Amino acid sequence: EAQVTQNPRYLITVTGKKLTVTCSQNMNHEYMSWYRQDPGLGLRQIYYSMNVEVTDKGDVPEGYKVSRKEKRNFPLILESPSPNQTSLYFCASRVGGLKWTEAFFGQGTRLTVV
Amino acid sequence: AQTVTQSQPEMSVQEAETVTLSCTYDTSESDYYLFWYKQPPSRQMILVIRQEAYKQQNATENRFSVNFQKAAKSFSLKISDSQLGDAAMYFCARSMDSNYQLIWGAGTKLIIKP
Repeated sequence: EAQVTQNPRYLITVTGKKLTVTCSQNMNHEYMSWYRQDPGLGLRQIYYSMNVEVTDKGDVPEGYKVSRKEKRNFPLILESPSPNQTSLYFCASRVGGLKWTEAFFGQGTRLTVV
Repeated sequence: AQTVTQSQPEMSVQEAETVTLSCTYDTSESDYYLFWYKQPPSRQMILVIRQEAYKQQNATENRFSVNFQKAAKSFSLKISDSQLGDAAMYFCARSMDSNYQLIWGAGTKLIIKP
């Protein structure tokens, strides 16, 4: 089954404790991205990757890191989480290129930073 | 600013009736893609319909259709014969080639009355 898998689905952590949210896709997609969803704001892009070892900032990259060492994986790293990073996070993937095909989303990760 | 506006935070409709969700957007690109995604309480993001801006014909998917007015930068979603399973948040989004992301509206919560 074609899917994007995110883990964990729920996470409560304390300020300053490093964490990683994993994302893996099995569709051989070139393009992957991370979004955060906040009420009244829709989804906003954090980082994206056009292919292995190619990443770039989205609209809200501060406080986040990513890496793309393998095509299927695109982890999101919060080195020192703060309460304003409490949000719902989505990983997405799609076929690369400028012809925008459907983006497939993971199940979402609800992160709470206390 | 490159924005997507969904002016209806919440809509309700009687089961089996028709409802239209509105979406307007800004863009300086001549070619782009528009999407409607559904997010049920499970949080999963599900593609409802996709429209290529250079195609004049309005996209349809079963009970879902769009009214795409390119000059007015309007992209409304019509749901016919509403069903209880249609209850969800609906997000409008458009592609942005300059940084390879989707720009999202704030969402419309659709309530189906039995």
